[in-house]
Amino acid sequence: KNQVEQSPQSLIILEGKNCTLQCNYTVSPFSNLRWYKQDTGRGPVSLTIMTFSENTKSNGRYTATLDADTKQSSLHITASQLSDSASYICVVSAASGTYKYIFGTGTRLKVLA
Amino acid sequence: EAQVTQNPRYLITVTGKKLTVTCSQNMNHEYMSWYRQDPGLGLRQIYYSMNVEVTDKGDVPEGYKVSRKEKRNFPLILESPSPNQTSLYFCASSLGLAGVLGEQFFGPGTRLTVL
Repeated sequence: KNQVEQSPQSLIILEGKNCTLQCNYTVSPFSNLRWYKQDTGRGPVSLTIMTFSENTKSNGRYTATLDADTKQSSLHITASQLSDSASYICVVSAASGTYKYIFGTGTRLKVLA
Repeated sequence: EAQVTQNPRYLITVTGKKLTVTCSQNMNHEYMSWYRQDPGLGLRQIYYSMNVEVTDKGDVPEGYKVSRKEKRNFPLILESPSPNQTSLYFCASSLGLAGVLGEQFFGPGTRLTVL
């Protein structure tokens, strides 16, 4: 069964600190993996996309990694800001030619001043 | 501004009263999809469309209908809403299926309560 699991479920950190969010997936065949940021009450917004051949990609203070062998991805946030408070969702696309995405349940991050 | 719009943003209704949630995108995207988001369950796909007049079921299609008569619009129809359809609904669109083209752009969400 295709699944995406994220950990931790929630996380509280102080402003300026770094943190790492985890995503494990059992989607086959694998096409790509995206990280989305969802602010409370709003739609998700894409942060990064990782394909099979990529193992690191950065978008400002966000760095995503992918290990296709172990089927794990991480999202590292550097020097966190209050505006980073949001849910972060890992989404995996199966290479099936259909419009199918498997969503994780997200990690809720709270950054405190 | 490139965007996906949904209306209404908030809706409270009663069991059995038919309703439609509209979704429109101005990016000329081929692919559109409806999701519902419930606490602890993540986003689940209801229906999707890969082109005009082409729609297919997602993971949780029961109790919902969709249509795609024009490329820009993809309304979600609840013929006889029930309390278990109380949820936060998102419409999304993308230019393609895979890679960079498969990036989904989400609408702002519609919070539906069925009493």
